[in-house]
Amino acid sequence: GAGVSQTPSNKVTEKGKYVELRCDPISGHTALYWYRQSLGQGPEFLIYFQGTGAADDSGLPNDRFFAVRPEGSVSTLKIQRTERGDSAVYLCASSLNSGGVDEQFFGPGTRLTVL
Amino acid sequence: AQRVTQPEKLLSVFKGAPVELKCNYSYSGSPELFWYVQYSRQRLQLLLRHISRESIKGFTADLNKGETSFHLKKPFAQEEDSAMYYCALSGWGAQKLVFGQGTRLTINP
Repeated sequence: GAGVSQTPSNKVTEKGKYVELRCDPISGHTALYWYRQSLGQGPEFLIYFQGTGAADDSGLPNDRFFAVRPEGSVSTLKIQRTERGDSAVYLCASSLNSGGVDEQFFGPGTRLTVL
Repeated sequence: AQRVTQPEKLLSVFKGAPVELKCNYSYSGSPELFWYVQYSRQRLQLLLRHISRESIKGFTADLNKGETSFHLKKPFAQEEDSAMYYCALSGWGAQKLVFGQGTRLTINP
């Protein structure tokens, strides 16, 4: 079946601009996660959705970052007033919510470059 | 605080040799530990998790709570094992993963 998809695969923007990154989870997965991976580092947690609600947004670095999942499926990560330090690969993952810590299935990522 | 440390950024071994990728963690409770792998031009995927106690592609990992370690081992490395390996932790009751910085494993022919 189809895995997690993310669009765009690459995004180049200028400092100060607004960007939206989209994630399409595996059908039936109620949990959705966003991570950020900077060069040479492991993925860093940003936010976790259970259904439509953000169950844990403790990883969002500041109020320029916001994410939504209005219908409990597709999610959009929104970054306002982008800064050069926001350049990274943004990963999305989804999982079933079976009660334990489920396997997370990752998307291919969106590479964001802020000039 | 939850933290995962992978002390080796790069590891290179010859085909057929044993390989061990080190992972240490800090967490005050009972964590769940995972190894994720990313092969060239592929997405990040789960390799194994400590609660399943199984061997995947010949790899095993044992959780050592006394040493707070979860090292990944394989007795005979194969060229297709070349990849980026990430150790990850999930705290009790939490779903998010805390990743180490990763180890790039290269298997030389």
